[in-house]
Amino acid sequence: LAKTTQPISMDSYEGQEVNITCSHNNIATNDYITWYQQFPSQGPRFIIQGYKTKVTNEVASLFIPADRKSSTLSLPRVSLSDTAVYYCLVGDETDYKLSFGAGTTVTVRA
Amino acid sequence: NAGVTQTPKFQVLKTGQSMTLQCAQDMNHEYMSWYRQDPGMGLRLIHYSVGAGITDQGEVPNGYNVSRSTTEDFPLRLLSAAPSQTSVYFCASSYGARGRNTIYFGEGSWLTVV
Repeated sequence: LAKTTQPISMDSYEGQEVNITCSHNNIATNDYITWYQQFPSQGPRFIIQGYKTKVTNEVASLFIPADRKSSTLSLPRVSLSDTAVYYCLVGDETDYKLSFGAGTTVTVRA
Repeated sequence: NAGVTQTPKFQVLKTGQSMTLQCAQDMNHEYMSWYRQDPGMGLRLIHYSVGAGITDQGEVPNGYNVSRSTTEDFPLRLLSAAPSQTSVYFCASSYGARGRNTIYFGEGSWLTVV
């Protein structure tokens, strides 16, 4: 199970792009990278998942370099409602014991 | 489609009391688990189950018991509540193994032990 490191917190303003980088130096060949978002007083929810290169959906983009030792979650044009904790998880289909680290607290200001 | 349902939402216990947090999912997921989240911290895995009749310990299992008699239900039992178990508890489920499949979480159960 690859260990991940991400910043504790980030501040931004409405309309800006927010990029959160997660380091996972010992990522294994079969591991996928998944990001979750947690609003206050709610359970986390899935945002995006990728294996390599770039993945984009209606919420975010995920950039993964060729060596896959890091990944960057990109939130375009954030709004106040994007204020949340964002978690980076790395694992494959054999990882039963996934725990979430402290995540990155993103605060969007008007 | 209800997803993952947890009850109760809020609970206050006295030290030494026991209680059960209920969790049910209607997505026919094999994998279910319980996490606890303390202020300013991430989610720590308490127990998990890979199918009916199969459970295993996570990162912080002490003081908690689980059972999985059906695919749908995964209750968490606090045997003798302690103030250190004051936390928010999340139940989660997924179709396949965690690292590859989307994890769905319940809305959480806020537990205070006095």
